Amino acid sequence: AQSVSQHNHHVILSEAASLELGCNYSYGGTVNLFWYVQYPGQHLQLLLKYFSGDPLVKGIKGFEAEFIKSKFSFNLRKPSVQWSDTAEYFCAVNKRDSNYQLIWGAGTKLIIKP
Amino acid sequence: GAGVSQSPSNKVTEKGKDVELRCDPISGHTALYWYRQSLGQGLEFLIYFQGNSAPDKSGLPSDRFSAERTGGSVSTLTIQRTQQEDSAVYLCASSLSGPSTDTQYFGPGTRLTVL
Repeated sequence: AQSVSQHNHHVILSEAASLELGCNYSYGGTVNLFWYVQYPGQHLQLLLKYFSGDPLVKGIKGFEAEFIKSKFSFNLRKPSVQWSDTAEYFCAVNKRDSNYQLIWGAGTKLIIKP
Repeated sequence: GAGVSQSPSNKVTEKGKDVELRCDPISGHTALYWYRQSLGQGLEFLIYFQGNSAPDKSGLPSDRFSAERTGGSVSTLTIQRTQQEDSAVYLCASSLSGPSTDTQYFGPGTRLTVL
């Protein structure tokens, strides 16, 4: 069965630290890849997505992610985090060749210490 | 414009009762999705609608769960004879056409507590 793994369930960083959140998926075909973010008390919202083209994708608020097909990975990065980045981050994948649902990782709770 | 809305925002019910959760998608979005988020877990897909039909019901956990969508817009998720393990946040999302390439926009969720 397809799965999405987010390796870190909780991450605590100080402001200005660099961030990398891991995401690996198990499906071998062509995929679409997403990172969603849920700030405290808010809806899930799209941070960035990859469908095709340049594997380095830039999203909102200075986030970026790199699709590495050979590693089945789509890690999220930010060079310098801010306190306002405290949130839960979800990686999600769907298969491009079928009209199917997103498969979600379990999420990573990120806490930024001011 | 208006986003996805869900009602109620919170629902507390007693074990064995039926509940109905409502989702209003973004106007013009033909695809609608229901997910469940249990404490400490990622999102679990429940059902996907394209217009009024549901091409994928594979995620419904039991026959106590059902969903319908009317007029290609509003959807209701019904849970019959609720159990304590049904307690979760139920999220609705919509997208312009389908999940293959479209971004899904999420509502605020309904937090269901079954006592």
